Order: sequence, then structure tokens, then C-alpha cells
Amino acid sequence: GAVVSQHPSRVICKSGTSVKIECRSLDFQATTMFWYRQFPKQSLMLMATSNEGSKATYEQGVEKDKFLINHASLTLSTLTVTSAHPEDSSFYICSARTGDEYNEQFFGPGTRLTVL
Amino acid sequence: GQNIDQPTEMTATEGAIVQINCTYQTSGFNGLFWYQQHAGEAPTFLSYNVLDGLEEKGRFSSFLSRSKGYSYLLLKELQMKDSASYLCAPMDSNYQLIWGAGTKLIIKP
Repeated sequence: GAVVSQHPSRVICKSGTSVKIECRSLDFQATTMFWYRQFPKQSLMLMATSNEGSKATYEQGVEKDKFLINHASLTLSTLTVTSAHPEDSSFYICSARTGDEYNEQFFGPGTRLTVL
Repeated sequence: GQNIDQPTEMTATEGAIVQINCTYQTSGFNGLFWYQQHAGEAPTFLSYNVLDGLEEKGRFSSFLSRSKGYSYLLLKELQMKDSASYLCAPMDSNYQLIWGAGTKLIIKP
């Protein structure tokens, strides 16, 4: 199947700093990428949908100025958590859709963010 | 609204068979996915159903009834490595996956 990578896999940062997470589709072009957040023992929560070359669509309750998304190419989307606070500590997962008939989403391995 | 209903947790014995049920309500429907998620890891794809009926893939099978808003995942010959959360995710009319909290499956020797 299609491969999606995420970097970094883990990051620990101080409160108030910004953190950038990269999501890459390695062997296919992804017209759409998704960013999720998952707190322990909870379901995946869609944060935003990112289409190449256009502004991301944010879900209700997600601050677009805090979670900056850039989808500059068909293989790369980035999520920047600005001025991170301890409550932003979570597991951030990206996925990419191939656009084939199944519209399947392939997930990256996730990024564990810990804000001290 | 959109809703997913799965049991929170199930326990089964190594070598046995387990069926994880899922009922859903979505705005439109473009198929249903099952994903497996081990603790601390991202979900991995298991199956996709868009038509009614049973899809078999090795030890795993998935069933869909669109009229009933119902699906199940059947796992045979359970192995300890099958201990994970299983996520039922229907796709709505906007091709967005709708996620529930999943079913945590515990396999005992």
C-alpha cells in the first residue's frame, strides 16, 4: 500500500515555543491530506483537511491561527503548532488520500508532542 | 447528526473467533472502513466495504448492511498480536471518515 511518513515521531518542547510536523506521501501524490489529534483512550479527532495549493479547511473548534497548515506540494503537508501549551500535548496523526476509487486514507506513524 | 456505536472493550481467547459490531448514522454514505490501532501507533487499514455483504481477507472478514447501518469485523484464529483497538469508520457524503472511539480487543492466552 501507499506509504506516508511523519517527522518528527516524538517532540518535547517548552511552553510558548512553536513546533512543526511534516507529513509526506512517499510513493504517491496526495491531493488531500488530513490532520488528526488523538488524546489517550479517545477517538481520532479531525483537525483540518488540507488540499494542495489551497487553504486548509478547519473543523469547528480548531484555531487556524494556532494550528497552521501548509500544503505546498502534492507530497508534503506541514502542521505548525504555534505557542504550544501543555494542553496541546497529544498524538498528532496525518493521513493522505490517494484519490482512487476507494478514497482510502493512509496514515502516517504519528507524532507524539509533549509540551512542558 | 453523525454517530458511531461500537462496544468499548471485548475480551477473547487466543485461537478463538471474535466479532466486533458497529452501527452508524452518517450524512450520506460512501463506504465503511475498518482500521486496527495498536497503542501509541497510528491506525492501519484492514478493510473497506461499500456494497452489502461479506468481504473476506485472510483471518479478517468484514460485513456491511447499508439498510441497517450495520457492519461487523470478524477475526478468526486470534493471535496475541491482535490485541489492539479496532476502529469502524464510515465515510460520509463529503468523503470524510467519521470516527468513533473504537473497540479495545484484549486477547488472553
